[in-house]
Amino acid sequence: QVQLVESGGGVVQPGTSLRLSCAASGFTFSSYFMHWVRQAPHKGLEWVAVISYDETKKFHADSVKGRFTISRDNSKNTVYLQMNSLRAEDTAVYYCARNGGDWSAEGPFFDYWGQGILVTVSS
Amino acid sequence: QTVVTQEPSFSVSPGGTVTLTCGLTSGSVSRNYYPSWYQQTPGQAPRTLIYRTNTRASGVPDRFSGSILGNKAALTIMGAQADDESDYYCVPYMGGGISVFGGGSKVTVL
Repeated sequence: QVQLVESGGGVVQPGTSLRLSCAASGFTFSSYFMHWVRQAPHKGLEWVAVISYDETKKFHADSVKGRFTISRDNSKNTVYLQMNSLRAEDTAVYYCARNGGDWSAEGPFFDYWGQGILVTVSS
Repeated sequence: QTVVTQEPSFSVSPGGTVTLTCGLTSGSVSRNYYPSWYQQTPGQAPRTLIYRTNTRASGVPDRFSGSILGNKAALTIMGAQADDESDYYCVPYMGGGISVFGGGSKVTVL
């Protein structure tokens, strides 16, 4: 069965960096676009970034552009989110999600989700 | 910047029907936006309900249905049950590689 397991979260100070990982199993990872979505405490869901199966396409939300970078290693079935210059407003649970269907033809939707990992940015 | 709009909250009686909508501050949501819907209960990861306007995800009961109503995407819950009490989010794809969630609708069953 499809499994997505996030790791790498924790408490960090403003201005520092953190890298999240999402280990995938149960499907052919190299055939799927992958997303990161976050949720600040008591707030709604916010899309963060997407990466194509071959890394040729990467898109980031304006709120993180220039600070966060999505990447992947298909040999390790893992997608990453490198987060630099962290701010208090980046405090959130971060979910990785698999894109269902053909992203290029049908647009994005998220068919499987990880359980999420908490990132707290605080001094 | 276009914002995705959802009603903040709904209340529905057990066994009743409720329709949530998903619109844009500028323009209309059509099938070409491939709207999708997600359910989330507090402390849990989101669950995918509907994609491509009206396709139910695996394991989703048929009392959940998606459609286009006028200039908005819609999610209808028929025969509401206690465990339908959740937050519901829509995502209409507006292109450019960027996804945008609506603000969510909180559904209370009482």
